[in-house]
Amino acid sequence: NAGVMQNPRHLVRRRGQEARLRCSPMKGHSHVYWYRQLPEEGLKFMVYLQKENIIDESGMPKERFSAEFPKEGPSILRIQQVVRGDSAAYFCASSEQGAGMNTEAFFGQGTRLTVV
Amino acid sequence: SQQGEEDPQALSIQEGENATMNCSYKTSINNLQWYRQNSGRGLVHLILIRSNEREKHSGRLRVTLDTSKKSSSLLITASRAADTASYFCATLNRDDKIIFGKGTRLHILP
Repeated sequence: NAGVMQNPRHLVRRRGQEARLRCSPMKGHSHVYWYRQLPEEGLKFMVYLQKENIIDESGMPKERFSAEFPKEGPSILRIQQVVRGDSAAYFCASSEQGAGMNTEAFFGQGTRLTVV
Repeated sequence: SQQGEEDPQALSIQEGENATMNCSYKTSINNLQWYRQNSGRGLVHLILIRSNEREKHSGRLRVTLDTSKKSSSLLITASRAADTASYFCATLNRDDKIIFGKGTRLHILP
């Protein structure tokens, strides 16, 4: 059972380009979370999705950022017209359906976005 | 903010000593998880403690949870150089959101 897979591991984009970050959750997991981590800082919650639904996007910037988790395929975090301040590590986590006391989140290795 | 808060923010101890990190949170939770992150790397899950548990052990790790005080502690005994990393607590809240604290940077001195 492969873990949470994120790709690419490293992504370089010029200012104004689009960045697409992919996250394939663990098999059987239908909850996906995205986090952003700036250098020397903690993980900031961005968005929580279940299949085909955005449950909580309170941590997402209102503009340029979007996320989806389609019925088939990976979850995608899209950043349009990237700026230097978007440079960060973006982590995805997944968990099983029916969150409860035993629910454990498994993390991918992250995508390190650099905007030049 | 619903994020947890770890303290201290940074901790340096001699190899072989015990390291204690604390985490406080604000909302009701289903469980609390501790993660380790080496510099520039991904997150490694260390231990999960459920909201109805008070203490849990795993190897050199000991975690406590006090839901009345909304706080948790992570104790690493007999620290080693390889324990140098950042440690984060994350709470699974009742609304299914997982929220992280800002982390404690632990440095083990030789």
